[in-house]
Amino acid sequence: NAGVTQTPKFQVLKTGQSMTLQCAQDMNHEYMSWYRQDPGMGLRLIHYSVGAGITDQGEVPNGYNVSRSTTEDFPLRLLSAAPSQTSVYFCASSYSPGRQTQYFGPGTRLLVL
Amino acid sequence: AQKITQTQPGMFVQEKEAVTLDCTYDTSDPSYGLFWYKQPSSGEMIFLIYQGSYDQQNATEGRYSLNFQKARKSANLVISASQLGDSAMYFCAMREENAGGTSYGKLTFGQGTILTVHP
Repeated sequence: NAGVTQTPKFQVLKTGQSMTLQCAQDMNHEYMSWYRQDPGMGLRLIHYSVGAGITDQGEVPNGYNVSRSTTEDFPLRLLSAAPSQTSVYFCASSYSPGRQTQYFGPGTRLLVL
Repeated sequence: AQKITQTQPGMFVQEKEAVTLDCTYDTSDPSYGLFWYKQPSSGEMIFLIYQGSYDQQNATEGRYSLNFQKARKSANLVISASQLGDSAMYFCAMREENAGGTSYGKLTFGQGTILTVHP
């Protein structure tokens, strides 16, 4: 198993550009989520999904879109990048039922100029 | 809403000594899970330990133990016999769960504590 994979590892964007951060997991996990980590802060939830075709907003959803067409993939779209979206983005997955931990991807470092 | 507070921005410990990292939480959910993650300088999030709110005993995982005091809403991480490789950022996190431990996987994180282990 590759676990949770994220691409790209690093990206530089100009203000106003759009891009998609990719996230995939091969563990057949139902639940997937996106977090952002800013300096000096913990991770904050952007969007999450409880299964294919079902998504919902987290704590900081503005400026981001998600979709979940398959169990494996959960891409995060930045519609019009802003400098405030400079951050490290983590994708995570977990499964139900039972007390299972979250599995995190390696992160994508995004710089918006 | 859930809230996690880690009041120690940084902690120092001598190699082979034990160290406690503090975590307090606030939630109105009757059932929840508490986590600790380690984030080394390389950036990945490494799961350390989990405690369910209905667990009768404190969780332990090797050198890591979680001092869970439900009435005080605290979930401190104890690292015994610190090693140089333990130097990292440590995050406390929680999620709402149902009585069976199922959740939607939504975690709320604290701000983190940077642990430095001195030789």
